[in-house]
Amino acid sequence: QKEVEQNSGPLSVPEGAIASLNCTYSDRVSQSFFWYRQYSGKSPELIMSIYSNGDKEDGRFTAQLNKASQYVSLLIRDSQPSDSATYLCAVRSGGYNKLIFGAGTRLAVHP
Amino acid sequence: GAVVSQHPSWVICKSGTSVKIECRSLDFQATTMFWYRQFPKQSLMLMATSNEGSKATYEQGVEKDKFLINHASLTLSTLTVTSAHPEDSSFYICSARGGRAGETQYFGPGTRLLVL
Repeated sequence: QKEVEQNSGPLSVPEGAIASLNCTYSDRVSQSFFWYRQYSGKSPELIMSIYSNGDKEDGRFTAQLNKASQYVSLLIRDSQPSDSATYLCAVRSGGYNKLIFGAGTRLAVHP
Repeated sequence: GAVVSQHPSWVICKSGTSVKIECRSLDFQATTMFWYRQFPKQSLMLMATSNEGSKATYEQGVEKDKFLINHASLTLSTLTVTSAHPEDSSFYICSARGGRAGETQYFGPGTRLLVL
C-alpha cells in the first residue's frame, strides 16, 4: 500500500507567522503532488499542485518538493485566522488512477 | 480552477430506502470521477473510481451492490446508496478530473446523508 504521512497536529501559529506543513510519501515513483485545504464541514479545495523538484509559489503559499527525500511541504506566509483548517497532502503515483491522501494536518492560526 | 457540483447537498431518508446523489463537472469533461466518504473527524475514504462508459472500480471493503455508481457521460456520475441504514449516514464527496482540468482532481461540495 502506498502511503502518505502527515503530522495530525494541531499546528498552532500566531497570526502573521509562517506555517510549515510537511508530508512524506513512500512510493519513489510518485509523480504528482497536491495540497488541499478542508474547512470543518466542507469538502477539500485545491491550493496547489507541484510536479518538479524545487519551490512553487502562489500568493502566500509555497509548495516545496524534494523527490530524493520523498518529501513535500507547504508554507503559508502571513498566516491568517481564516487559514485555520485541515491541510491534506495528496500524491499520485505513476500507473495509479487515484490520489493517495494523507490524514491531514490541522492548522490553527490564533490572533 | 474547474467546477464540480453535487446534488442534493443534504438528504434525510428512512432506513431501507435508496438515495441517489449526482455529481456534475460543470465546465470540463471528466473522464474520471471519484467517490469518497468521510465520517466526522476522520480522513477521506475513497469508495470507488469510475471512468466514463466503464464499470466502477471499488476499493476493498466497499460493497458494490450497495453503492451503485454510474458514469454514463463525461459530465455526470451518480452514486446510489441502496437500502440505506443509519450506519451509512456520512458526508459523501465526489471529485473529478480530465479534460481541461488535466490530472488535477476537483472536489464537489459534498452531500450529507442522514439515515433515520
